[in-house]
Amino acid sequence: GENVEQHPSTLSVQEGDSAVIKCTYSDSASNYFPWYKQELGKGPQLIIDIRSNVGEKKDQRIAVTLNKTAKHFSLHITETQPEDSAVYFCAARYLHGKLSFGAGTTVTVRA
Amino acid sequence: DAGVIQSPRHEVTEMGQEVTLRCKPISGHDYLFWYRQTMMRGLELLIYFNNNVPIDDSGMPEDRFSAKMPNASFSTLKIQPSEPRDSAVYFCASSNERGMSSEAFFGQGTRLTVV
Repeated sequence: GENVEQHPSTLSVQEGDSAVIKCTYSDSASNYFPWYKQELGKGPQLIIDIRSNVGEKKDQRIAVTLNKTAKHFSLHITETQPEDSAVYFCAARYLHGKLSFGAGTTVTVRA
Repeated sequence: DAGVIQSPRHEVTEMGQEVTLRCKPISGHDYLFWYRQTMMRGLELLIYFNNNVPIDDSGMPEDRFSAKMPNASFSTLKIQPSEPRDSAVYFCASSNERGMSSEAFFGQGTRLTVV
């Protein structure tokens, strides 16, 4: 099955700086890569996703890059704000409907 | 739509008791997923359904766990008998895989504590 590894497990950044989270996946057949943000006491919420036919996608301060050859993808958050503090999960899908999640990154934005 | 609705939000039960977690997916979604989240193991997929039919239950930890989806708007996850190691947050999610949309929407979760 798919194995998704995520680094780092924790990340502390100064407000206004950038945050980068990296993930690797094992199954070259995976074709869908979403990123989820989970705030305390809530369920994960999709913030951005990318498909295997695209190398990069941007949405305001958030961007995701995908390198299919190396089987890794990254989340970039620019101009971080305190409300960006949360746990972020990457995921990969190799079967229709079935997502495999990374272990999560706890991001803390220091004011 | 109110999103994926799970009940109860919190459940505290004694070891050996039966626990039933409930989920109402988003109307029109044809996939439903049950996940378990713990500090040690992160988010684990337990089972998922497509059009009310269980597709993959390989993540269900033991025979003590069972899940049903009697219709498109309701699913249950049952643990019988419960054990302290079952304590976790259980999430239900649903998605509509038609077209290009593949987002899985998560409920608020049920925090289960088995004492």
